[in-house]
Amino acid sequence: EVQLVESGGRLVQPGESLRLSCEASGFTFSTYWMQWVRQAPGKGLVWVSHINSDGSSTTYADSVRGRFTISRDNAKNTLYLQMNSLRAEDTATYYCVRDNWGIDYWGQGTLVTVSS
Amino acid sequence: DVVLTQSPLSLPVTLGQPASISCKSSQSLVDSNGNTYLHWFQQRPGQSPRRLIYKVSNRDSGVPDRFSGSGSGTDFTLKISRVEAEDVGVYYCTQGSHWPPWTFGQGTKVEI
Repeated sequence: EVQLVESGGRLVQPGESLRLSCEASGFTFSTYWMQWVRQAPGKGLVWVSHINSDGSSTTYADSVRGRFTISRDNAKNTLYLQMNSLRAEDTATYYCVRDNWGIDYWGQGTLVTVSS
Repeated sequence: DVVLTQSPLSLPVTLGQPASISCKSSQSLVDSNGNTYLHWFQQRPGQSPRRLIYKVSNRDSGVPDRFSGSGSGTDFTLKISRVEAEDVGVYYCTQGSHWPPWTFGQGTKVEI
């Protein structure tokens, strides 16, 4: 069974940093692209970032480019999202998703709240 | 960027009756290999999204056959043949044919 378990979300102040993690199981993590998608409270789904299977290629939404960094450790079956210079508008539930020629599986999400 | 426009944004439904959601793309979703990466997700209240349909019309494992997807090019539709109470939630279309970015429709809220 495919499982994606995110962690690391919490309340932070504007300008602070946070690292999200996503532990994957139930599939061969090292062979899949992965993505982060976020959802602000009561709002829709927004793509944040993608990484290819070996970590050599990444892309970012314009709203986070230069502030967020996606990475992965295939030996640990873990996906990361390093979030710097956080803003109030980054407040959202962040989902780790598997990309299998399209998003298929989602984690349960981790809530990041940016507020003073 | 590809813009996906869903309609309606709110869909009151009657149990046992059909329902239909439209997703229109700002450009053709046929990629250079002839594939169309248009998928549909369901997000029940308080839950993570779950994929229902992939590549326009393929139902995911475990998805009831009352759900069906159709369309081509820029116009796509998700249909529920007979709405059940467990179908309440928000439905999103998404595309992966032209990336980055991967984009989502605004979501359609289905309520009884």
